[in-house]
Amino acid sequence: DARVTQTPRHKVTEMGQEVTMRCQPILGHNTVFWYRQTMMQGLELLAYFRNRAPLDDSGMPKDRFSAEMPDATLATLKIQPSEPRDSAVYFCASGLVLGGLNTGELFFGEGSRLTVL
Amino acid sequence: SQELEQSPQSLIVQEGKNLTINCTSSKTLYGLYWYKQKYGEGLIFLMMLQKGGEEKSHEKITAKLDEKKQQSSLHITASQPSHAGIYLCGADIAGSARQLTFGSGTQLTVLP
Repeated sequence: DARVTQTPRHKVTEMGQEVTMRCQPILGHNTVFWYRQTMMQGLELLAYFRNRAPLDDSGMPKDRFSAEMPDATLATLKIQPSEPRDSAVYFCASGLVLGGLNTGELFFGEGSRLTVL
Repeated sequence: SQELEQSPQSLIVQEGKNLTINCTSSKTLYGLYWYKQKYGEGLIFLMMLQKGGEEKSHEKITAKLDEKKQQSSLHITASQPSHAGIYLCGADIAGSARQLTFGSGTQLTVLP
């Protein structure tokens, strides 16, 4: 049963600490998205990778956030230093784009709930 | 996202009633996705629509993409408490480089 795996599921940390969230996309998918969900802003796109290359990270605060795909099986989202306003649920999603078109379902992970004190 | 407007923001219905949720874009939609989310959980895929006029159904949920491909509606027939949750539309919007932008969601409550 293919699924997107995210770790950690929950993270509580203190302001100023580094936080790294990891995502294992579904094998064979060539696109990976990072979203952040809060009550106030809803679901916001932070970064978007295709074939491991970052296509768009304009939704991400550059001074503290960074997203990478060191290989096809791992995507990371790092926050350094973390701030209380970063508290949110962070979702990773993967999908398949062929010929410039999304071919179907975008699969979401269960999310990483981050609380920054 | 202001690119995708969902309405209503919240909806409370009595079990057995029909309901409709709308998702509207000011630009052409190349792909429209409907997801359901329960609080604290991930998004569950419901349906994807790509062609103007396309309509898909799954159990008691039907989604349609209008001919101009700028609006989609999600219709639930004879709602049940299990339908409760947040419904999100996500779209591949013209000019968005194939990103998926999401609406703000519709919170559905079904009263038994």
